[in-house]
Amino acid sequence: DGGITQSPKYLFRKEGQNVTLSCEQNLNHDAMYWYRQDPGQGLRLIYYSQIVNDFQKGDIAEGYSVSREKKESFPLTVTSAQKNPTAFYLCASSSDRVAPYEQYFGPGTRLTVT
Amino acid sequence: SQELEQSPQSLIVQEGKNLTINCTSSKTLYGLYWYKQKYGEGLIFLMMLQKGGEEKSHEKITAKLDEKKQQSSLHITASQPSHAGIYLCGADPSNNAGNMLTFGGGTRLMVKP
Repeated sequence: DGGITQSPKYLFRKEGQNVTLSCEQNLNHDAMYWYRQDPGQGLRLIYYSQIVNDFQKGDIAEGYSVSREKKESFPLTVTSAQKNPTAFYLCASSSDRVAPYEQYFGPGTRLTVT
Repeated sequence: SQELEQSPQSLIVQEGKNLTINCTSSKTLYGLYWYKQKYGEGLIFLMMLQKGGEEKSHEKITAKLDEKKQQSSLHITASQPSHAGIYLCGADPSNNAGNMLTFGGGTRLMVKP
């Protein structure tokens, strides 16, 4: 079945450590996105990529980094520079060729940094 | 930048009751997406509205976009416990085929059996 996978579902790290969250899609979508969701709040865009080897900062990119070496994969690294990394992270992808162009979301990764 | 305001922030209804969630934008909505999220999970796409006055329905959920394309409402008829979750509206600020969505803060719905 086509879809987006994120791993792991839960991740625990010590403060000061970098951590990489995985996001893979087999929907043949060109665009991929990373969002952060804090309790009781909506989604905020961290980074997005519309094509392989290219990505753009979203609204809250500071302390995060991404790569897009393959169409199927868009890993997110939460660096030690991110001051408040504990959150729920959601990855999404979309196609700009097939209406209604909605974004498909992965199941999310809950990151806890202590 | 475009901001989306959702109201109410949370809602508790008795099973069988109707309810409405609103999403209001500070700018014209080129594409308005409604998603549902179960706690701790990803978002499930419900509907997308694009034209002023457009209305779409899926099972017991109806979404409308006003003529001015600055407000959308999501109406659930005869609510059931399966409708519980967080409803989020997302908008395309630049008419750019669904990329770069801006999301509202979400409405948390609880349905009492």
